[in-house]
Amino acid sequence: AQSVTQLGSHVSVSEGALVLLRCNYSSSVPPYLFWYVQYPNQGLQLLLKYTSAATLVKGINGFEAEFKKSETSFHLTKPSAHMSDAAEYFCAVSEGFGNEKLTFGTGTRLTIIP
Amino acid sequence: DGGITQSPKYLFRKEGQNVTLSCEQNLNHDAMYWYRQDPGQGLRLIYYSQIVNDFQKGDIAEGYSVSREKKESFPLTVTSAQKNPTAFYLCASSSPVGMNTGELFFGEGSRLTVL
Repeated sequence: AQSVTQLGSHVSVSEGALVLLRCNYSSSVPPYLFWYVQYPNQGLQLLLKYTSAATLVKGINGFEAEFKKSETSFHLTKPSAHMSDAAEYFCAVSEGFGNEKLTFGTGTRLTIIP
Repeated sequence: DGGITQSPKYLFRKEGQNVTLSCEQNLNHDAMYWYRQDPGQGLRLIYYSQIVNDFQKGDIAEGYSVSREKKESFPLTVTSAQKNPTAFYLCASSSPVGMNTGELFFGEGSRLTVL
């Protein structure tokens, strides 16, 4: 069975500082991995995805994530935080070929300190 | 514009009443999903449907029912058997196997409160 663990339910960083949100996964087959962002009272929007191509994946809004098989990790980073990055972030894993259900982590709420 | 529309956005229900949440998509996607979101628990899958007239239970299907009579529509009924229905409900869709890599497109959500 697949699973995702997000370390840290709340993360606070200063504006302009590095953002690092952690995600570790468990999967019996090579996984597809995703990061989604959710703003208050809204649905989820895809930030980026890993689908067995390049291990460093670039997404929207300056975010990127690196797939590390040896560490079973897919951490999300952004070099310089902006106030508009304040939101909840979800890591997700899929073992299928596109139409399978995703398993989500419990989420990390990111707060930006002015 | 293409997308997923959920309605109502906010809904209040008395205990013992059934309520139906609407989800419509015009993305021509085959697969549709219902997730429930609770604080600190992430998203949990209730039901999903990969094709019209077919659907499967997710991880927390008890107390819920769905139908998929049309490709565009996947309504969710929260029945009186659901013991703790107050939550934020998210509908999503995705294109067929072999045509994408698992990306889900989400609606704006429906917040259900049981009084």
